[in-house]
Amino acid sequence: QVQLQQSGAELVRPGTSVKVSCKASGYAFTNYLIEWVKQRPGQGLEWIGVINPGSGGTNYNEKFKGKATLTADKSSSTAYMQLSSLTSDDSAVYFCARDSSGYMDYWGQGTSVTVSS
Amino acid sequence: DIQMTQSPASLSVSVGETVTITCRASENIYSNLAWYQQKQGKSPQLLVYAATNLADGVPSRFSGSGSGTQYSLKINSLQSEDFGSYYCQHFWGTPYTFGGGTKLEIK
Repeated sequence: QVQLQQSGAELVRPGTSVKVSCKASGYAFTNYLIEWVKQRPGQGLEWIGVINPGSGGTNYNEKFKGKATLTADKSSSTAYMQLSSLTSDDSAVYFCARDSSGYMDYWGQGTSVTVSS
Repeated sequence: DIQMTQSPASLSVSVGETVTITCRASENIYSNLAWYQQKQGKSPQLLVYAATNLADGVPSRFSGSGSGTQYSLKINSLQSEDFGSYYCQHFWGTPYTFGGGTKLEIK
């Protein structure tokens, strides 16, 4: 069965970076894009960007350019999102999701990132 | 960017009732619309894609409709497990955007 397993919760200092992982299983990793979505506490969903694990090609929401960097490792079927220069505005739950022609058919369980000194 | 306006923001209903949630896009999205359900503390789950197609395993009491800029999600005979938040999302080009969400609560 398709699964996306994300890394655990992070507590990080302002100004630092964090890297969230998303390990895929149950399907051919390079055949589907991986999307990343942000959800602040009690708020809605915000699209960060997408990566093609096969080619490494990326497409970002303008709002997250310079903030998020998406990568993928085909050998381990794992997608990554690095967030840099963290502020309190980056405190949120981050989800990875499998893209099935634009809609997201399978989601990871989410990774909570808390930015606090 | 395409804006997705979802209504209502919240809804208080009883088990067995029928509800309709609407989503309006700021431009024609040609049925490139999905609906998701999210329970508290969980990840979103796909309900409907391409405006009218039920995702695998989704009960038939859910249905999606619409075209152009106006879309709806209808839930017939609400069950207790249907309570939570619902979001629409367009995928007519990036950046993808979501509606603001509808919180469905028990009356």
